[in-house]
Amino acid sequence: DADVTQTPRNRITKTGKRIMLECSQTKGHDRMYWYRQDPGLGLQLIYYSFDVKDINKGEISDGYSVSRQAQAKFSLSLESAIPNQTALYFCATSPGPPGELFFGEGSRLTVL
Amino acid sequence: AQSVTQLDSQVPVFEEAPVELRCNYSSSVSVYLFWYVQYPNQGLQLLLKYLSGSTLVESINGFEAEFNKSQTSFHLRKPSVHISDTAEYFCAVKGGNAGNMLTFGGGTRLMVKP
Repeated sequence: DADVTQTPRNRITKTGKRIMLECSQTKGHDRMYWYRQDPGLGLQLIYYSFDVKDINKGEISDGYSVSRQAQAKFSLSLESAIPNQTALYFCATSPGPPGELFFGEGSRLTVL
Repeated sequence: AQSVTQLDSQVPVFEEAPVELRCNYSSSVSVYLFWYVQYPNQGLQLLLKYLSGSTLVESINGFEAEFNKSQTSFHLRKPSVHISDTAEYFCAVKGGNAGNMLTFGGGTRLMVKP
């Protein structure tokens, strides 16, 4: 089983719908991250959390929210999806500085 | 803010040929440097990293990268590529103007042809 598991792996939805992407990890890391990948842009940080009570905005947080339900679980929500949120989303964990990241396999979201 | 530039979006190369994937970053302040690889339909995984010490770092599958502080570069090289090296490669930087977060380059797609 994967150490960092994302669900769903693929999702097609319509504009205006609420979407939740879930991430769970068995690595025991405190730090969790949500990234968005677009072709040619690399990965952009949406939100990150260093422990259950700590939530921080990344560089592209507008239109997204997160919830850290437990050390092992970190979910990303799109309250009202729009087409330019069509992308590949990755959850990642790290044990702390200097911070090698461990990635899930990604959730591909298409907003029509 | 920190920026990371991967100069080539795609690099086609024949099997057993050498390859260099280029990476430059903007901050000259102390940084940590990483290369990640993404195989098709998978997440990213760490290929190698520079934290301190020797400026030449190696991976277990034959890749190497050299930290060049004066040129703010961290180019990735392999003397002889295999078909299985076909993937997208991301350079990432932590520290300097990026602070505690990783900043990723736009990625380079390595396409190894038989």
